[in-house]
Amino acid sequence: RKEVEQDPGPFNVPEGATVAFNCTYSNSASQSFFWYRQDCRKEPKLLMSVYSSGNEDGRFTAQLNRASQYISLLIRDSKLSDSATYLCVALRNTGKLIFGQGTTLQVKP
Amino acid sequence: EAGVVQSPRYKIIEKKQPVAFWCNPISGHNTLYWYLQNLGQGPELLIRYENEEAVDDSQLPKDRFSAERLKGVDSTLKIQPAELGDSAVYLCASSLDVGETQYFGPGTRLLVL
Repeated sequence: RKEVEQDPGPFNVPEGATVAFNCTYSNSASQSFFWYRQDCRKEPKLLMSVYSSGNEDGRFTAQLNRASQYISLLIRDSKLSDSATYLCVALRNTGKLIFGQGTTLQVKP
Repeated sequence: EAGVVQSPRYKIIEKKQPVAFWCNPISGHNTLYWYLQNLGQGPELLIRYENEEAVDDSQLPKDRFSAERLKGVDSTLKIQPAELGDSAVYLCASSLDVGETQYFGPGTRLLVL
């Protein structure tokens, strides 16, 4: 079993739709969590950090549930430019980032 | 400000040949990382440097892979000899310090024939 697990998708949604991605982690010692975005044939880029209180950045909302070891990302009013792979990432207390395999989103016109 | 620079961007070699990748981190970043990313997977850490010291190389296949960061700035990752299964994207990342945000370079896409 992988330390960070995601549904690889792909998720195919129409423009304007709301889409949610989920992620689970198995190492309870993980101290911080992030969502990274990776466009096709490009490098991963930090999208946002994830906090237990939940955090929002424009159309994006991330949530962490430590009791369930579960992380989510919600995208509202999807745009064509949101099409990408979204990587769920855990930071161990050793400073090592553990990446999930990524969830692919394709937003259709 | 310049981001993480990697070269070459693409490399095609025959199996059993050696290959080297170069990375220049963001200026002032003490921590440098080399990752391997296979198709359809997330990046996996190969080695992490804090300044010139390799502090986490547990995932580096030491029989054929080596890395160095002699002056604590740029770094080289080498594979000798390359195998078919080494075909992947090799990503370099840097951060101010351990636990800080990591910024990735564009990667080197390696194809071993």
